[in-house]
Order: sequence, then C-alpha cells, then structure tokens
Amino acid sequence: DAKTTQPTSMDCAEGRAANLPCNHSTISGNEYVYWYRQIHSQGPQYIIHGLKNNETNEMASLIITEDRKSSTLILPHATLRDTAVYYCIVREDNYGQNFVFGPGTRLSVLP
Amino acid sequence: DTAVSQTPKYLVTQMGNDKSIKCEQNLGHDTMYWYKQDSKKFLKIMFSYNNKELIINETVPNRFSPKSPDKAHLNLHINSLELGDSAVYFCASSLTWDPNQPQHFGDGTRLSIL
Repeated sequence: DAKTTQPTSMDCAEGRAANLPCNHSTISGNEYVYWYRQIHSQGPQYIIHGLKNNETNEMASLIITEDRKSSTLILPHATLRDTAVYYCIVREDNYGQNFVFGPGTRLSVLP
Repeated sequence: DTAVSQTPKYLVTQMGNDKSIKCEQNLGHDTMYWYKQDSKKFLKIMFSYNNKELIINETVPNRFSPKSPDKAHLNLHINSLELGDSAVYFCASSLTWDPNQPQHFGDGTRLSIL
C-alpha cells in the first residue's frame, strides 16, 4: 500500500498556480519524496524529487515541511496540458526502487 | 525520439495463451523495470534489472518471466495467461541503480484477457 495520502481531485484555473498537497507522516529520515504525473493513456512522467530542502526545476517546485510529514507540489502557471493524475511517492524499501504509486490526485486545469 | 518504447501497445488474448511484451530504451540507461498498473490505478513494481542482472523480483507468479538480452532491452514473457493478468504493464528505465535517479516510463501495454 502507498505510504502517502493525497486528495482525490482538484481543479485549477488556467494560468494560475496549482498547489498539490501530499501527506507522508510515516516517512523515515532517508526516504525521498518523489512526484510523477500520468497524462491519460501515457506512462508516468517524472516531475521532481527532494529529501529535506525545497527544490525547483523547469517543471515545478517542491516544498517540504520542516518535519517532512507533508509536501506540496507547485505548478506555477498551470496550462491545459497539465491536466493529469499526480502521484506523490516515498521510497518503499532500502533499495529505493520499489515505487508504489497510489491513486494520486486528478488535477483538472480549467480554461 | 521515443526514449522508452513498448510493443505492443494493446494486447487482447484468451486465457491460457502465452504472450510476450517487449521493451527497449535508447537512453543508455543501466537499469530497467517492469510495473503493473491495476484497475484501481495502483502501479507496483514487478521486476528490476541492473546491467542485465535481476535485482528485484517482487511477489509475482512464476508464470511471469523477464529476460534482458542486453542493457537496452527488457522483455516480459507471460505463460498460461489468467483473467487477473488483465492490466496495463509499464516498462521504465533509470540511468543507474542509484535510487535518486528518476525513472523514465514507456506508454504502457494494455493487456486484456478474454
């Protein structure tokens, strides 16, 4: 079972920032938080990951709380093409490769 | 250029048949994976290969047998297909075994068992 909880769905107006929350209250000290998204009929796409510090790349920003029990993925200017299911994942085991993708958050960007 | 490509995209077959799904990556990655996405959209790892060697073999029926002829290919053969095997199967790759490396996914193979 996934170690994260996310809202089932969210809406966001085109051009506005989309803030997607994730709770991972049982995360351990050496586990990273990863975000992927899946656009309909495609494979999951890597977005960003982080351990403690906030991270930013060309796609998004990741804000991790100081106690690391939750995080927020920020898409600064959402477009219609950002409509997808967004998965927040923490590593499942010491190998770090056993990703379990839960149901995720279905983000709908509205015109 | 497609980074991780799977064939076929759709596979419809009858119970009891044997089928194979092929995966190829042109990213020069060392590590490849097979995932299964069920009807509830949970995506779980099945196998992982690093430099053609099996690293992870989750609790998967032995009817599923992965084969890695070289670093760029990881095929999945399934014997005696069952109704419960209906799912979307995703292949993925990462640069190295380092867990901090992001994984790149193919677009999936939709397997339907009649």
